[in-house]
Amino acid sequence: DTGVSQNPRHKITKRGQNVTFRCDPISEHNRLYWYRQTLGQGPEFLTYFQNEAQLEKSRLLSDRFSAERPKGSFSTLEIQRTEQGDSAMYLCASEVGVGLGYTFGSGTRLTVV
Amino acid sequence: QQPVQSPQAVILREGEDAVINCSSSKALYSVHWYRQKHGEAPVFLMILLKGGEQKGHDKISASFNEKKQQSSLYLTASQLSYSGTYFCGTADNNNDMRFGAGTRLTVKP
Repeated sequence: DTGVSQNPRHKITKRGQNVTFRCDPISEHNRLYWYRQTLGQGPEFLTYFQNEAQLEKSRLLSDRFSAERPKGSFSTLEIQRTEQGDSAMYLCASEVGVGLGYTFGSGTRLTVV
Repeated sequence: QQPVQSPQAVILREGEDAVINCSSSKALYSVHWYRQKHGEAPVFLMILLKGGEQKGHDKISASFNEKKQQSSLYLTASQLSYSGTYFCGTADNNNDMRFGAGTRLTVKP
């Protein structure tokens, strides 16, 4: 494994369009997290998975956001009807176990125009 | 609740020391420290668990005072490579982790 992989690296979309991001965690990492980061701020928690189960979802996530992790492997984050306020870096992180530190991917930078 | 970091920014000369503080309003199980360079992903530095401990590697160390719900990151004899934004992440016993807004560290020659 070479780390956590995220695709695409950059996404420019028009307001109102749907976008989907993919995260491939380190294979033996059971926990997978999604965060959103805007310029000059720390990562904001969105949701996390323990294997295929989505265990927590932030109140930041409106009903336009959905995340999946089929079979406990890769994960996708979908944003429907994008708004300009969704523009941010979306970071995925995985963790082999509780309290062992996150490995972050390079992120997907979303720009909504 | 998001932890509070201080200072927001610090500028050092090579070889100088710095302390970055992180405090939380809720009981903590663990504190993580990460460094993020511009345009890159955050990189894990270390984790401190409940029980009050101090950790370190090389010239970067940290302490965790669970009673005060505070952690501090110590950078000694700073190097140019230490430049970046440092984030603390605090987690309760549900592993619900929140990150601070970050401390921007600039090390100048």
